Amino acid sequence: RKEVEQDPGPFNVPEGATVAFNCTYSNSASQSFFWYRQDCRKEPKLLMSVYSSGNEDGRFTAQLNRASQYISLLIRDSKLSDSATYLCVVRETGANNLFFGTGTRLTVIP
Amino acid sequence: GAVVSQHPSWVICKSGTSVKIECRSLDFQATTMFWYRQFPKQSLMLMATSNEGSKATYEQGVEKDKFLINHASLTLSTLTVTSAHPEDSSFYICSARSPGIAKNIQYFGAGTRLSVL
Repeated sequence: RKEVEQDPGPFNVPEGATVAFNCTYSNSASQSFFWYRQDCRKEPKLLMSVYSSGNEDGRFTAQLNRASQYISLLIRDSKLSDSATYLCVVRETGANNLFFGTGTRLTVIP
Repeated sequence: GAVVSQHPSWVICKSGTSVKIECRSLDFQATTMFWYRQFPKQSLMLMATSNEGSKATYEQGVEKDKFLINHASLTLSTLTVTSAHPEDSSFYICSARSPGIAKNIQYFGAGTRLSVL
């Protein structure tokens, strides 16, 4: 069983739409949670950390449900520049490294 | 913000040759760096954890004699793919955790695309 599972998509949405991505993780002792963005043939870049109380950064909102071991990312008012692969990332307690989901591909259409 | 530099960005080599990839933390010292590999349409998979001044820790299934890691200073880790074969063709990415307040954040190098002919 994979440590982090995501719906690979692809998600094709029109500009201005709201889109949500979901992710589940297998280790209940996981400690830190992140969403990264990866453009084609580029390295992953941190989009936002995910906190237990939920957090928002502009058009992006992240939620964490520890009981269900579930993480979400909501993007409002989608822009063409939001087109990328969004990676759900988890660090387990006591671990230095990160576990990556396979990513969800988003394409925003004009 | 913290910056991690990775070089080269693209390598094409013949089967049987060795390739060295460098990963540098430019504005912070990194006692630990990580090497990941990503095949097309797949997730990043951790290969090994590079520890400054000591041996690297390899993940299960990663051959330590094939993927040599050296972390000789607090700002440089190298990955050498020895006797590369076409199945080693992949996107190799290094990362380092930043110290201080944002120590949970990992910053990634731009990656090295290796193509073995």
